[in-house]
Amino acid sequence: NAGVTQTPKFRILKIGQSMTLQCTQDMNHNYMYWYRQDPGMGLKLIYYSVGAGITDKGEVPNGYNVSRSTTEDFPLRLELAAPSQTSVYFCATSPNPGLLSYEQYFGPGTRLTVT
Amino acid sequence: AQSVAQPEDQVNVAEGNPLTVKCTYSVSGNPYLFWYVQYPNRGLQFLLKYITGDNLVKGSYGFEAEFNKSQTSFHLKKPSALVSDSALYFCAVRGSWGKFQFGAGTQVVVTP
Repeated sequence: NAGVTQTPKFRILKIGQSMTLQCTQDMNHNYMYWYRQDPGMGLKLIYYSVGAGITDKGEVPNGYNVSRSTTEDFPLRLELAAPSQTSVYFCATSPNPGLLSYEQYFGPGTRLTVT
Repeated sequence: AQSVAQPEDQVNVAEGNPLTVKCTYSVSGNPYLFWYVQYPNRGLQFLLKYITGDNLVKGSYGFEAEFNKSQTSFHLKKPSALVSDSALYFCAVRGSWGKFQFGAGTQVVVTP
């Protein structure tokens, strides 16, 4: 099992460009999340999904969009990149609560720089 | 709404000494609590959780945590710290709709 995979690992964008961060999981988890982590800071929730076709905003959704057409994939779209979006982005998953296994599983992250 | 507080930005401890990282929480209903560790340039790794049952939970790498309902705390502990335990530690609580609230993180520095 690969777990949670994220691509790319690194990316440099120019201001105003757009890109999609990919997140794929093979654990059949219903819940998926996107976080950003700024240097020396904790995690901030951007968007999350409780299942295919269902997404909702987190704390810091402005400037981002998501979609969830399948259980496995949860891409994060950045439109019109800004320097304030320079951060490390983590995707995470969590199983349905019924199995008493509530913890999240994290991908390795995507380091994004906007200049 | 749920919240988590980690009152210490950094904890310094000598190798071989006990390590404690503090966490307090606020949540309506039963708390589902977690500790994660993050090594430099890596994602977060799950250490342990409290869902129900025994107040003392054991996790990976010799870590344990004590759930205290009256003090709304979930402190992470290790009896004898190693230099390799130096990392960033996050406490988290799971709330409604599967959303997690993370603390700001505590940097642990273990000196030889």
